[in-house]
Amino acid sequence: QSALTQPRSVSGSPGQSVTISCTGTSSDVGGYNYVSWYQQHPGKAPKLMIYDVTKRASGVPARLSGSKSANTASLTISGLQAEDEADYYCCSYAGTYTWVFGGGTKLTVL
Amino acid sequence: EVQLVETGGGLIQPGGSLRLSCAASGLTVSSNYMTWVRQAPGKGLEWVSVFYSGGSTYYADSVRGRFTISRDNSKNTLYLQMNSLRAEDTAVYYCARDPYGSGSLFLDCWGQGTLVTVSS
Repeated sequence: QSALTQPRSVSGSPGQSVTISCTGTSSDVGGYNYVSWYQQHPGKAPKLMIYDVTKRASGVPARLSGSKSANTASLTISGLQAEDEADYYCCSYAGTYTWVFGGGTKLTVL
Repeated sequence: EVQLVETGGGLIQPGGSLRLSCAASGLTVSSNYMTWVRQAPGKGLEWVSVFYSGGSTYYADSVRGRFTISRDNSKNTLYLQMNSLRAEDTAVYYCARDPYGSGSLFLDCWGQGTLVTVSS
């Protein structure tokens, strides 16, 4: 159960698009279409944004989208807004009823 | 309103034990896939354990054999019994619910977290 690999930080200007990658192995990300993404603002509990790789949770705007290719999942945020500045975590099913999170990516809106 | 409230955190010496509680309102613990997730200070999230609605329980390798997840349906409360605590168990512990248990970790309701500090 090694943590999935995410970039420590990404940044973009308002209105731009950014993509956060999440790399695992064939035993987790590559083996199942069970990737979810969480947003966490400082001092707050995480919030579910994406599940089943591409599906948006209730209330999540369409400018957030998820995808996957082989062992790497990605979260793309288009039309960046100030409120998007937060930490983002991917999470994948890892088999035998266990899950693994990524190390987290800090998104800075410049 | 759906709410989860964790209690029981605190300072504990290495090797000690602690029991966390997660009281639920607005949802039925026994009908959901209740999960514990932890976050070490300044670090990322780590999945810890899940209690399936059917009664099965599962654990991360890092806590298996030391932590036990349980629930009291009459109190609508989830618990995490933590034994043989180590410094690396220091974290904010969140309980969260997954209404589906279908593969993706679908945690749509979280508590505010309770801080556990393991130190001498």
